[in-house]
Amino acid sequence: NAGVTQTPKFQVLKTGQSMTLQCAQDMNHEYMSWYRQDPGMGLRLIHYSVGAGITDQGEVPNGYNVSRSTTEDFPLRLLSAAPSQTSVYFCASSPGTVGGGYTFGSGTRLTVV
Amino acid sequence: DQQVKQNSPSLSVQEGRISILNCDYTNSMFDYFLWYKKYPAEGPTFLISISSIKDKNEDGRFTVFLNKSAKHLSLHIVPSQPGDSAVYFCAARYMEYGNKLVFGAGTILRVKS
Repeated sequence: NAGVTQTPKFQVLKTGQSMTLQCAQDMNHEYMSWYRQDPGMGLRLIHYSVGAGITDQGEVPNGYNVSRSTTEDFPLRLLSAAPSQTSVYFCASSPGTVGGGYTFGSGTRLTVV
Repeated sequence: DQQVKQNSPSLSVQEGRISILNCDYTNSMFDYFLWYKKYPAEGPTFLISISSIKDKNEDGRFTVFLNKSAKHLSLHIVPSQPGDSAVYFCAARYMEYGNKLVFGAGTILRVKS
């Protein structure tokens, strides 16, 4: 039972490059989200999805795109990387049940130089 | 505009004593409040939650208290153990808005043996 799997674990990008952070869950959860964690800021929601084909913006969506073609996968695309996107990125999923929390992946540490 | 605030960046407690972590929120639309624990280089893990219609929820050594009139919640850990040393995030949920979670900045708990 893998839970939420994120790849890669570490990545260094040059300014202007694009890349996709992968996220997959095997729990058949409807809800999935992407967060970024920065020092002193907690976790901030980038984008979220309430089911396959349905996505919406969170607090800090600029510079990121998402899609949800299947229940299992929720990739996050950086369109043109900027140093301000240096952060730790977490993907999470939830069944959406009453009181049910989100299960988080182990994170991707991204550095943009 | 921080809707969920954890005003104490860090807390140090002696092993065996009580740890109290605090959290304040501003939005009355939150329907659930959750606590997450995070170790370095790992994703956050769900600890305990409380419905907005309850004032207390207990799970082993962990108890969460909710004071709706003050828009304040707290997590009590009794007795504290060295393995509890981690970053604790308070989060509030909008079930009505795609099951979104809004996180506080986190409190670093150090339990000294």
